[in-house]
Amino acid sequence: GAGVSQSPSNKVTEKGKDVELRCDPISGHTALYWYRQSLGQGLEFLIYFQGNSAPDKSGLPSDRFSAERTGGSVSTLTIQRTQQEDSAVYLCASSLAPDYEQYFGPGTRLTVT
Amino acid sequence: GEDVEQSLFLSVREGDSSVINCTYTDSSSTYLYWYKQEPGAGLQLLTYIFSNMDMKQDQRLTVLLNKKDKHLSLRIADTQTGDSAIYFCAERTSGTYKYIFGTGTRLKVLA
Repeated sequence: GAGVSQSPSNKVTEKGKDVELRCDPISGHTALYWYRQSLGQGLEFLIYFQGNSAPDKSGLPSDRFSAERTGGSVSTLTIQRTQQEDSAVYLCASSLAPDYEQYFGPGTRLTVT
Repeated sequence: GEDVEQSLFLSVREGDSSVINCTYTDSSSTYLYWYKQEPGAGLQLLTYIFSNMDMKQDQRLTVLLNKKDKHLSLRIADTQTGDSAIYFCAERTSGTYKYIFGTGTRLKVLA
């Protein structure tokens, strides 16, 4: 069946512009995670959605970052006024429930010039 | 806070065994995971172990856990060029949804 998909796969943007990254989780998965993977670093947790509960936004690095999940399915991560340090691969993962295996998407590589 | 550490690089010859090591700090960790990331792809779960286990074997993969030292290792027997990838260790406490990932170890297999 279809896995987690993310779009775009690559995004190059100018410093100061806003970007939107999209994640389509596996159908029926209630849990959705966003991570950031910077060069030479592990995965940094950004935000977690579970069903209709309030999301855990504790990993968002600044108020320029926001995310939403519409209808318990598709999620969008928005970065406003991008900075060069935002350059990274942004990974999305979903799982059937919190205690179940995470399935990762291929990521969006964001480059801020 | 919680921390997971791994060495950054490992190079082995095809056919040899690879051992990738990981240390963690959270003593309440319940699940410990190994993920593989191939170029341009997301992470794929390879195997996991419960903290009340010492060892788990799955075909060419052997996971060893030393809970006292908070040390986890992944052994890949008969390493192949297709095993070249980044391997991430991660830990999670039961009842929580937060995974703490290591920095990843880049495994290079030489033909």
